[in-house]
Amino acid sequence: EDQVTQSPEALRLQEGESSSLNCSYTVSGLRGLFWYRQDPGKGPEFLFTLYSAGEEKEKERLKATLTKKESFLHITAPKPEDSATYLCAVQAGDNNNDMRFGAGTRLTVKP
Amino acid sequence: EAEVAQSPRYKITEKSQAVAFWCDPISGHATLYWYRQILGQGPELLVQFQDESVVDDSQLPKDRFSAERLKGVDSTLKIQPAELGDSAMYLCASSSGAGVVQYFGPGTRLTVT
Repeated sequence: EDQVTQSPEALRLQEGESSSLNCSYTVSGLRGLFWYRQDPGKGPEFLFTLYSAGEEKEKERLKATLTKKESFLHITAPKPEDSATYLCAVQAGDNNNDMRFGAGTRLTVKP
Repeated sequence: EAEVAQSPRYKITEKSQAVAFWCDPISGHATLYWYRQILGQGPELLVQFQDESVVDDSQLPKDRFSAERLKGVDSTLKIQPAELGDSAMYLCASSSGAGVVQYFGPGTRLTVT
């Protein structure tokens, strides 16, 4: 069965303290891996799509990377406004409908 | 910037009552999704439309949930009767096709008492 596991569940950082969030997946035939940011009480906001191992995408302090088994979201010198839940989702197989989400990592950045 | 619209943003209802949520996708997006997100978990797909047709409703509890997209634009998700376990965030998303980026609306927070 396809699975998406995110770790850690929660992460507390000091402002400026760089770290990484992990998304490991077990799927047949990855078609795409998506990262979203979700603020409390709001809908997920799209960040990145990665399609093949070795691919990297960057946006401001965020950088997403992809291997055959996992993806990392690297956060460099985070600021308090980066505090949010970061969700990973995968699309796999022949079924274009199947987008499976992880449970998310809740990031808190203290000033 | 085009956005997915949802209403209401918050809904409190009593158990056994009927409740409905509305979604207006980004203009031109043929694919529309309804998700349910329980606090602390990721969104789970309830139903997917391609234009006015349902292409996946395998996870929709059809005894109490129904969804329609009559003209292939906006959509309504209904629950009747609501149960305590239905308390969650209901998210609508749209995309230009299957297998591409989905853009989410702000969600409707449902509380069933």
